[in-house]
Amino acid sequence: DTAVSQTPKYLVTQMGNDKSIKCEQNLGHDTMYWYKQDSKKFLKIMFSYNNKELIINETVPNRFSPKSPDKAHLNLHINSLELGDSAVYFCASSTRTVAKNIQYFGAGTRLSVL
Amino acid sequence: GNSVTQMEGPVTLSEEAFLTINCTYTATGYPSLFWYVQYPGEGLQLLLKATKADDKGSNKGFEATYRKETTSFHLEKGSVQVSDSAVYFCALSDQNTDKLIFGTGTRLQVFP
Repeated sequence: DTAVSQTPKYLVTQMGNDKSIKCEQNLGHDTMYWYKQDSKKFLKIMFSYNNKELIINETVPNRFSPKSPDKAHLNLHINSLELGDSAVYFCASSTRTVAKNIQYFGAGTRLSVL
Repeated sequence: GNSVTQMEGPVTLSEEAFLTINCTYTATGYPSLFWYVQYPGEGLQLLLKATKADDKGSNKGFEATYRKETTSFHLEKGSVQVSDSAVYFCALSDQNTDKLIFGTGTRLQVFP
């Protein structure tokens, strides 16, 4: 069973569209994250949720809106997509109670905005 | 603020060569330090970690020692294999927020 799963794996869309990426973890973790990896492989955190509450919101445009319906899910909705949004987006999860902040990553969603 | 600096790649080695990938950090307090590995087309996997000064993390023949005096966490392996070809990321965990701050990644290419 996949521990952190993201869908879709690939997403190709036109500029101006709205799209969502879903993430689910079955590890029983209480904290989930979204990271963006650019074309040079640089990884930067975007958001973090703990028990469905937002705890980290880096300087991300408000076109990006995370939603956590429960602590096992953290979805990312992106409005009005721009060319610069093309990247690989990784979801991750962790728990503070065991093995402090070892984060487990999904396989990534490659977003291409045309 | 907190930051991580890694050596630029790619690092190109022959099989069975010795590997060192340098990583230094800037942080307040006592962060935990990590090495993550990203194989082609995959997500990141934790390779090893160290949570306090002088701790040595090790896994799959890779090692790294948390050196507070030099603020370093260099990754080493005595004999690399072709299957070790991947991108390696050094990271620290911010003590207050638990967010991971990554270095820029170092691509390792191992040839037979």
